This record gives sequence, C-alpha cells and structure tokens, in this order.
Amino acid sequence: NAGVTQTPKFQVLKTGQSMTLQCAQDMNHNSMYWYRQDPGMGLRLIYYSASEGTTDKGEVPNGYNVSRLNKREFSLRLESAAPSQTSVYFCASSEVGVGEQYFGPGTRLTVT
Amino acid sequence: DQQVKQNSPSLSVQEGRISILNCDYTNSMFDYFLWYKKYPAEGPTFLISISSIKDKNEDGRFTVFLNKSAKHLSLHIVPSQPGDSAVYFCAGLPTGANNLFFGTGTRLTVIP
Repeated sequence: NAGVTQTPKFQVLKTGQSMTLQCAQDMNHNSMYWYRQDPGMGLRLIYYSASEGTTDKGEVPNGYNVSRLNKREFSLRLESAAPSQTSVYFCASSEVGVGEQYFGPGTRLTVT
Repeated sequence: DQQVKQNSPSLSVQEGRISILNCDYTNSMFDYFLWYKKYPAEGPTFLISISSIKDKNEDGRFTVFLNKSAKHLSLHIVPSQPGDSAVYFCAGLPTGANNLFFGTGTRLTVIP
C-alpha cells in the first residue's frame, strides 16, 4: 500500500499562474482533506470531502477550489496563485467520524 | 481564533529523561484529542489519541493525559530517545465533525 500520495513534491509558480495539486489514497477511506502548513501557524484546513461527491470549506478556503474526482482522488486547484499561497500543502484521508488521519508527504509551493 | 493551542514552540530534553508536551483548548465540544509527530520533509503521522471521556491513554513509551476542568492535555514520552526528535502537533476532533483543529506544534529535541 502506498497510503496517501501527492504530486508534485515541489512547485514554483509566478503570481497569477494556475496549477492543480493531485492527491490519491489507496486505503478505501471515505474522507479526504487538504491542509496548508505555514511557520508558526500549524496545519490549517483548506477544504475537505466527507465522502465522494461532497466537498466543504475549511478554515482558509479563499483562493482555492477542490474536486473529489472519485473515492481515491481529491485535487486542489489554485486558479490565480498569489505570494500568500506560498506554503507546504498536505493531503490526508480518514474514515468518517474517526479522528486519525493519514497524511501524504506534502507539496512545497513557492509563488513569486 | 485558535481553538487548540501549543504555547511552547520548542523543548529540549536529555536522552532517557521524560519529555512533556502540553496543549490547551478553548472549545469543550471536542470528542477526541490526537497527537501527531512530524519529521522534516514528511507528512504528520498519528501517534496516540484520547477520548474526551477518558483522562489517560497509554501506548508503550507514550502517555496522553487529559484534564477536562483545565481544558489541558499533555503527552509524556518516557524514556525519550533521539529518534523522538520531531515536531509534535496536538489536534482536537469536534463532536459530529470530520475535520481536526491543530495546534501550532512543539519542536522536541532529544539530546544524546
């Protein structure tokens, strides 16, 4: 089992460019999440999907969109990147109603 | 407003001694609290959890204590090992929710 995989590992964007971060899990989990981690801020939830076909905003959704493509895959899109979106992005998955989440290795994004 | 707080950004402990990491919360409606460990360039990994109806949970060298009246939890690591050096995040799972609220993390350094 690969667990949770994320692509790419690193990305540099110019302000205004768009990109999609990909996430896939092979644990048959219903719920998936996108977080960002910034220095001194911990992990903050951007969007989550409790089950296939549903998505909900988290704490910091502005500037992002998500797609739950199927049960395995949950993508995060930046339509017009801004320097404030420079961060490390983590995808996670879990069973519904269970706190334990499994995280991917992260994507380090720099917006110049 | 941060619902889960870790007020100590860092902690250094000698190998073999006890490490105590602290976490406070402001919302009484958490069902579970969890601790995650994070190494550089990796995603967080689940360490141990505690239900809000318990006051202690133990797993090997790791014990989590919950003091509901003080809205405080702590993670004890005994004995501490150099491989425990990492950033530790506490997180709370609100009642009826799927998403976790994370603290800002404490960097533990275990000195050989």
